Amino acid sequence: QSVLTQPPSASGTPGQRVTIYCSGSNSNIGSGYVYWYQHLPGTAPKLLIYRNNQRPSGVPDRFSASKSGTSASLAISGLRSEDEADYYCAVWDDSLGGRVFGGGTKLTVL
Amino acid sequence: DVQLVESGGGLVQPGGSLKLSCAASGFTFSGSAMHWVRQASGKGLEWVGRIRSKENHYATAYAASVKGRFTISRDDSKNTAYLQMNSLKTEDTALYYCARGSGSLGTDAWGQGTLVTVSS
Repeated sequence: QSVLTQPPSASGTPGQRVTIYCSGSNSNIGSGYVYWYQHLPGTAPKLLIYRNNQRPSGVPDRFSASKSGTSASLAISGLRSEDEADYYCAVWDDSLGGRVFGGGTKLTVL
Repeated sequence: DVQLVESGGGLVQPGGSLKLSCAASGFTFSGSAMHWVRQASGKGLEWVGRIRSKENHYATAYAASVKGRFTISRDDSKNTAYLQMNSLKTEDTALYYCARGSGSLGTDAWGQGTLVTVSS
């Protein structure tokens, strides 16, 4: 059971906007940067967001993120079939002295 | 291009040991932290640990689930990071990834993973 809580699943139709939430505490999200990853099992995870809301070069601006207090969110607008993947939030936890991932959210594009 | 290639995975009995390698190329390995992350079949990503650069005193940190059993090291002359896994348990069965840590820029490059199976 992760200290970061994500919904296990989310879905949307092509063109829609979907938001995935990540809930933590003062020792993790409340005190550090949040990162978001896109992952297809068996392949290399891809960094989507760093420092709460920054996109690495090459990540489309359809992906955006924000953080407020001890929660964070990832929004995907103009949903496309290739967005179907697992999405994870990650942050350093000061209490645990290590990095933690959320449980992951499986996004289905209907 | 940045490239990370894991190797060393395989089948090992419970209580056994295995050492994984992560060969890096395309960037200044000595200046980067290196992380290990695993994913058991049907489960989510789990951070295993990381080693920082020489500038940061090769500081290591581990997840509670592996602390005392796993050790991360690096050889900057070979551009390679290692994960020594001892006292392996069936629950350590997973695909193990190495990733480059770029400070606040996050773990921005990942390998394809190497599979570790712990079974009798």
